[in-house]
Amino acid sequence: DAKTTQPPSMDCAEGRAANLPCNHSTISGNEYVYWYRQIHSQGPQYIIHGLKNNETNEMASLIITEDRKSSTLILPHATLRDTAVYYCIVRERNAGGTSYGKLTFGQGTILTVHP
Amino acid sequence: NAGVMQNPRHLVRRRGQEARLRCSPMKGHSHVYWYRQLPEEGLKFMVYLQKENIIDESGMPKERFSAEFPKEGPSILRIQQVVRGDSAAYFCASSPRTGGAETQYFGPGTRLLVL
Repeated sequence: DAKTTQPPSMDCAEGRAANLPCNHSTISGNEYVYWYRQIHSQGPQYIIHGLKNNETNEMASLIITEDRKSSTLILPHATLRDTAVYYCIVRERNAGGTSYGKLTFGQGTILTVHP
Repeated sequence: NAGVMQNPRHLVRRRGQEARLRCSPMKGHSHVYWYRQLPEEGLKFMVYLQKENIIDESGMPKERFSAEFPKEGPSILRIQQVVRGDSAAYFCASSPRTGGAETQYFGPGTRLLVL
């Protein structure tokens, strides 16, 4: 089961910042937070990931709380093409604890960007 | 650098036939993951492979499904004696290695329809 909780849907006006929350209260110290999105049944697209520190790349920013129990993905200037399902994923170590393997997807947040 | 490639993009099979789905990872990537997305559902992990090794097959159905990633050539997901419930989108992802939390990059998927 996914270790994250996300709101099922959100709306955002084009050009405004989209702030997508994610709760992961049972995250362990060596588990990463990953964000992917899926646009209309295409293959999931990697957005960003982080462990403890806030991260920023050309697509988005990731803000992780100090206790690591929640995070927020920020799309600074949403466009219509950002309409998608956004998945927040806690990347767990595999059963042997030696590496990271599968991604466990939850239901995600359907973000709708409107004109 | 070409992304993850999957073929065919669409596959139609009749009940009882075999389906073979191929995945070519990104250049330099030696780890492959297969995921399945049933209609109106989230993505579910199936299997994780390295070259010539199955690392984690905890998500694979016990019967009819198999996967391989040979030393040369693409990874193959094979479904024998397909049934209508196998109709889904099958996504492959690849990563360069798993020591740290290496990012998985997804292909466009294969849509399997079983008649």
